[in-house]
Amino acid sequence: EAQVTQNPRYLITVTGKKLTVTCSQNMNHEYMSWYRQDPGLGLRQIYYSMNVEVTDKGDVPEGYKVSRKEKRNFPLILESPSPNQTSLYFCASSLRKELAGELFFGEGSRLTVL
Amino acid sequence: GENVEQHPSTLSVQEGDSAVIKCTYSDSASNYFPWYKQELGKGPQLIIDIRSNVGEKKDQRIAVTLNKTAKHFSLHITETQPEDSAVYFCAAILSGGYQKVTFGTGTKLQVIP
Repeated sequence: EAQVTQNPRYLITVTGKKLTVTCSQNMNHEYMSWYRQDPGLGLRQIYYSMNVEVTDKGDVPEGYKVSRKEKRNFPLILESPSPNQTSLYFCASSLRKELAGELFFGEGSRLTVL
Repeated sequence: GENVEQHPSTLSVQEGDSAVIKCTYSDSASNYFPWYKQELGKGPQLIIDIRSNVGEKKDQRIAVTLNKTAKHFSLHITETQPEDSAVYFCAAILSGGYQKVTFGTGTKLQVIP
């Protein structure tokens, strides 16, 4: 089954404790992206990757890091989480950057930073 | 950059009635407009899209219209059913080597049985 898998789905952590949200897709997609969803703000892009070893900032990159060492994986790293990073996070992928609007989304990861 | 406004933020309709969600965009270079449906506890799912060279597209009970001159596009759902209850997001994609995706703020649709 074609899918985008995120882990963990739910996480409660404390300020400053580094965490990683993993994302993996099994569709051989070139393009991957991370979004955060907040009430009244919709989906805002954090980082994206057009292919292996190619990443770039989205609209709200502050406080986040990513890496793309393999085509299928695109982890989101919060080096020192803060309460304003409490949010619902989605990883998404598409076949290639020219089709960046035709996204397949994961199920989401709800993060709470205390 | 692109800015997408979406209205209304919430919408309640009786089962069987129609629902319309509207979005406006700011950058005339945007050329692709997808709509996503997000059910409770799930990720958004692409349900229909339209490109700038087309004025209207239908898929069973859903349709999307695009007015390039006015820079707005709309999602129309006819004969609504309870399973249509969800949050709907519009998006606009700027053409170019990298297709920047800008989402609207979402519309929570409730279909009352």
